[in-house]
Amino acid sequence: DAGVIQSPRHEVTEMGQEVTLRCKPISGHNSLFWYRQTMMRGLELLIYFNNNVPIDDSGMPEDRFSAKMPNASFSTLKIQPSEPRDSAVYFCASTSPGLAGADTQYFGPGTRLTVL
Amino acid sequence: AQSVAQPEDQVNVAEGNPLTVKCTYSVSGNPYLFWYVQYPNRGLQFLLKYITGDNLVKGSYGFEAEFNKSQTSFHLKKPSALVSDSALYFCAVSPGSSASKIIFGSGTRLSIRP
Repeated sequence: DAGVIQSPRHEVTEMGQEVTLRCKPISGHNSLFWYRQTMMRGLELLIYFNNNVPIDDSGMPEDRFSAKMPNASFSTLKIQPSEPRDSAVYFCASTSPGLAGADTQYFGPGTRLTVL
Repeated sequence: AQSVAQPEDQVNVAEGNPLTVKCTYSVSGNPYLFWYVQYPNRGLQFLLKYITGDNLVKGSYGFEAEFNKSQTSFHLKKPSALVSDSALYFCAVSPGSSASKIIFGSGTRLSIRP
């Protein structure tokens, strides 16, 4: 299995530009999570989906952030417009159907975003 | 509200010595508890989890963790540390309900010196 795939691995952009991060979960997994990791704030859950439906987006910091999951094999996290404080590593994770809350999350390699 | 605490930002251990990385939690009901490890420039990797049953859970790379309900703790342990164990370790908790999300601790950086 290829694992969770994220692209791009690195993104450098200028303030005000739109940024789109992509994630392909493990085939057969029905839950998908977006996290942000920074030195100051640690690992934060931004949003998660069950069966392509957003369940909890309370971690999305502002309206500049949006996420979609048009099908079971693809999700995007968009930041528009981007700001320097959005610089972080963004992780995507997925879980397979099972005992809710007890599922192991499988993480992608992350996208390192730098906003200048 | 559920929460998880890792009281130590950093743990330093000599190679070959036993190691412990501490974790305490607060959740209503019966929790599901997890440990993940993160190596530099990588995503988090699952180590082990407690759902029910035996309080001592064995995981990957020789790690184990003990669930202690009375102390609301789930400390990660290994009898003999390796330099390659140096990484960032995260404890996480789920309330064990129908919710899928879990709450991660702040992480503990484990450094094993040769």
